[in-house]
Amino acid sequence: DAKTTQPPSMDCAEGRAANLPCNHSTISGNEYVYWYRQIHSQGPQYIIHGLKNNETNEMASLIITEDRKSSTLILPHATLRDTAVYYCIVGGLGAGSYQLTFGKGTKLSVIP
Amino acid sequence: DAGITQSPRHKVTETGTPVTLRCHQTENHRYMYWYRQDPGHGLRLIHYSYGVKDTDKGEVSDGYSVSRSKTEDFLLTLESATSSQTSVYFCAIRPSERNYGYTFGSGTRLTVV
Repeated sequence: DAKTTQPPSMDCAEGRAANLPCNHSTISGNEYVYWYRQIHSQGPQYIIHGLKNNETNEMASLIITEDRKSSTLILPHATLRDTAVYYCIVGGLGAGSYQLTFGKGTKLSVIP
Repeated sequence: DAGITQSPRHKVTETGTPVTLRCHQTENHRYMYWYRQDPGHGLRLIHYSYGVKDTDKGEVSDGYSVSRSKTEDFLLTLESATSSQTSVYFCAIRPSERNYGYTFGSGTRLTVV
């Protein structure tokens, strides 16, 4: 069963901020929120992750609600090259093998 | 992506033949994974490895076997390929259980006819 819920598709105008929502209402206390994206026919690419604080890197910002039941990935100035499927994933860290479970993601189309 | 190579990139094979896909890494990462991707299903984990000779099954492991005899290579074998195994296969690596980012290969497109 999917741990996350994402809209199947979204559009964003080039140069505007893209805000991609994700619901993860059953997230447990030690689980992180990860975001990956997959540009057509390429392997997925890691974007960002967070536990409970907001995070920012050179690619994006991650806003996690205080109750941790949802989050938003923000691409501040979307370009055509950001057109991709974006995956929100929750999972933990720890000893032993840890795998990420990919859902169907959100297909983001950046429009000129 | 740098440090991870999948081969072959494309393969067409006949039903019932054995097929081996190779994932090679130069990063000396401990964890390696095989995923398949099909329309409408996203990425699904087939098998993973947490060290040399240490492997385990993922959610769609039936019909697949893996081997890891050295750190840098993780092989995925279809003992007798079926049309349902037509897919794009991705390998991924991760340094340790405390590392957050997976690095994925470019994929192998396998067609079973």
